[in-house]
Formats: sequence, structure tokens, C-alpha cells
Amino acid sequence: KAGVTQTPRYLIKTRGQQVTLSCSPISGHRSVSWYQQTPGQGLQFLFEYFSETQRNKGNFPGRFSGRQFSNSRSEMNVSTLELGDSALYLCASREGTGPTYEQYFGPGTRLTVT
Amino acid sequence: AQSVAQPEDQVNVAEGNPLTVKCTYSVSGNPYLFWYVQYPNRGLQFLLKYITGDNLVKGSYGFEAEFNKSQTSFHLKKPSALVSDSALYFCAVRDMTRAGNTPLVFGKGTRLSVIA
Repeated sequence: KAGVTQTPRYLIKTRGQQVTLSCSPISGHRSVSWYQQTPGQGLQFLFEYFSETQRNKGNFPGRFSGRQFSNSRSEMNVSTLELGDSALYLCASREGTGPTYEQYFGPGTRLTVT
Repeated sequence: AQSVAQPEDQVNVAEGNPLTVKCTYSVSGNPYLFWYVQYPNRGLQFLLKYITGDNLVKGSYGFEAEFNKSQTSFHLKKPSALVSDSALYFCAVRDMTRAGNTPLVFGKGTRLSVIA
């Protein structure tokens, strides 16, 4: 099976702009989670979607939003970008939402805000 | 709230020697525990998990981890390190007793450097 794919891999944006990142999960996986990874804060959970519904949300401002489509593909959007939003954004998929399911991660999108 | 601590930012080991990457956790109930590895410019790769049963869990690439409930630890081990094991390692936990869907909480990561 193909792994989790994320597009684009690299992105440079200017403060105040908005950005949309895309994630395609492993075939058959219906749960998609998003994480922000920075050197200072490590991996922080953004949100998880299952069957087009947000199941859980981390402690991020409303500028961060996401959605999931009927084919399980997911997008996340960040509006009014700030310098501190520069990070590696990781998408992960798993078969279900039960706690024993491990997550499989994509390569990430590296966002640089200037 | 659940949390994970990886007390060492960096671990250096000579090739061929055994390696240990430490992890301690805190949950209100019983834990589900995971180890992931991240290579440069890559996402995280799943190594192994502890759900229940034997305290010694075997995973990918010759790695294993030992669950110790009394010490709330889940240290990652490998009997003989390879240079190719050099990477960033993350421990993660879910609290199995919390109702609903809880997110995975990660430690800060430990950078392993295996020296030839």
C-alpha cells in the first residue's frame, strides 16, 4: 500500500497570508490527524478527523482549521499567518479511532513564514 | 493530563554496543505506549507499541521496549546499535481509561547518534 502523502512538501509564505495543506491517508484508513512539529515545542496535536467529522482538537487558535472529505483526504488551513507558524506540519492516518491503533505519518509539509 | 518525558536530549553510543533510549510517562489510568523514529526530512515511522500482556515488546529493526508499570517507564532498547539507527526517537502515550478518543501525546524526542 502507498503511504501517507502530503502536498506540498515545502512552502514559503508571508505574514498575514493564508495557506492550505493537503494530506492523503493510506488506503482504507478513515482517521486523519494533524500535528505541528517545532524544535522548541516538539510535536503538538492539532486535530483529528474521522468520517468527515472532527473528533478531537488540540489547543491551537481558531486560525488553524481543517476538514476531511468523503474519500478520507484531509486539508488543513492556517489563516493570517504569523512567524511562529513556521514549522513542519505532519499528517498521520490510522484505520480507526480506537486507542490501540498506531498512526502512520506522512513526510510532512515544511512551512516557512517570512 | 497525560504526559511523556524523555530525559535525554541526546544519546551517543558506539556501533555494536547496546543502546537504551529512556521514556517515562504519566497518565491517570493505564497507558497505551508507542515508539516512533524520525529520520532527517522524513515523517515519523512506527517502531512498536505496548497495549497489554508481556512487558517486553518487540518491534521493527531489532528494537524492543520494556514496560515497567511501577516505574512508569517504557525504555527503548536494542542489543547492538547500527550507524543507520542514528535518528530522532519519540515516545508517545494514550490514556486507555479516558472515555472517548484521546490524542497521542509525544515526548520531546531523543536524538540518537551511533558512532562507527
